[in-house]
Amino acid sequence: AQTVTQSQPEMSVQEAETVTLSCTYDTSESNYYLFWYKQPPSRQMILVIRQEAYKQQNATENRFSVNFQKAAKSFSLKISDSQLGDTAMYFCALIQGGSEKLVFGKGTKLTVNP
Amino acid sequence: KAGVTQTPRYLIKTRGQQVTLSCSPISGHRSVSWYQQTPGQGLQFLFEYFSETQRNKGNFPGRFSGRQFSNSRSEMNVSTLELGDSALYLCASSSETPGVTGELFFGEGSRLTVL
Repeated sequence: AQTVTQSQPEMSVQEAETVTLSCTYDTSESNYYLFWYKQPPSRQMILVIRQEAYKQQNATENRFSVNFQKAAKSFSLKISDSQLGDTAMYFCALIQGGSEKLVFGKGTKLTVNP
Repeated sequence: KAGVTQTPRYLIKTRGQQVTLSCSPISGHRSVSWYQQTPGQGLQFLFEYFSETQRNKGNFPGRFSGRQFSNSRSEMNVSTLELGDSALYLCASSSETPGVTGELFFGEGSRLTVL
């Protein structure tokens, strides 16, 4: 069975600072995708960043980057220059290649303070 | 391009009733997935439909069912509602199998409250 663990239920950061959200996962498959999704208070889940397991290079999307440690099964999200609009629940998720089912972590509530 | 649309956004039912939720995927998307989100259990996979066929189902009782129409719109139904069914129900669409495209697009959800 695949599992995703987020050990930080809540975090806070000051505006313009950098914050890192942690995620570990477990899967026996070699072909999978990892994601970070953001769910603002308005509730719509938005994809922040995606990482293919076969790619060694860490994914980057503007202020968002990941540290993908495949051997350690770790997938952390770094948010640089935090903005008030980054306040949201952040979910780490995994999907096996070719599967229909996304497995989510419990989420980390991030608050960006002015 | 319109996003994933879910209706209704909010609804209140009483125990024993049934409910039907609707999801219109992004135009051209053929895969529709449903997830239940609760504070205690987090996000849990309900089922996935592709071209009117259910391809995968999560660990939920038979009271939870769904279907997909030829235009890719999907509905899910919960019969004999229980208090524990109170949740945010999220629909997500994908152009192909989610594990192939590597991305799901989510709707805003339907908030169900069971009294």
